[in-house]
Amino acid sequence: GEDVEQSLFLSVREGDSSVINCTYTDSSSTYLYWYKQEPGAGLQLLTYIFSNMDMKQDQRLTVLLNKKDKHLSLRIADTQTGDSAIYFCAVPSGGSYIPTFGRGTSLIVHP
Amino acid sequence: EAEVAQSPRYKITEKSQAVAFWCDPISGHATLYWYRQILGQGPELLVQFQDESVVDDSQLPKDRFSAERLKGVDSTLKIQPAELGDSAMYLCASSLKRGGVNTEAFFGQGTRLTVV
Repeated sequence: GEDVEQSLFLSVREGDSSVINCTYTDSSSTYLYWYKQEPGAGLQLLTYIFSNMDMKQDQRLTVLLNKKDKHLSLRIADTQTGDSAIYFCAVPSGGSYIPTFGRGTSLIVHP
Repeated sequence: EAEVAQSPRYKITEKSQAVAFWCDPISGHATLYWYRQILGQGPELLVQFQDESVVDDSQLPKDRFSAERLKGVDSTLKIQPAELGDSAMYLCASSLKRGGVNTEAFFGQGTRLTVV
């Protein structure tokens, strides 16, 4: 099955950029997703990238995809305290394109 | 804005009791997922429905868990009997199917289950 790996923690200073990385194994995915989860809440879709793209920018968010290395990253510019949350990479896999999630990266933003 | 509705938000139950969770997906979304998220981990798929049919329930512990989506709209996930290890967040999500591919999944707020 699909294997999605993320680093568990990232700590940044307010105003700096954050880069959250993800690696995956299944190369048949059409879309790849980033979700955000605040404490005690469900998952909020942040952004996604189609597999034939290298980069997608959406306001403060930039997604980079390296299909050759099966590496996905999410860059958050001008990180704010409200960005503190857990960020999940999700990669649809298998014939039914079921989203498979990594363990999540906990982003901590300090003043 | 359309949302995936789940109830209850929180549930505390004693082990060996039965418990049920309900999900109402976004209108028009044919695909419905139930995920389980243990604290500190990512969501793991329990079951996927396409309309009223189960597409994948390979990770559903069928000795105690059951899921149904009788009319292809809302869905119920049941655990009987509950065990201490079932304590987790149960997340429901739905998506459209377009051109044979499931589009992005939208999640509900989840049901936090605590088994005591």
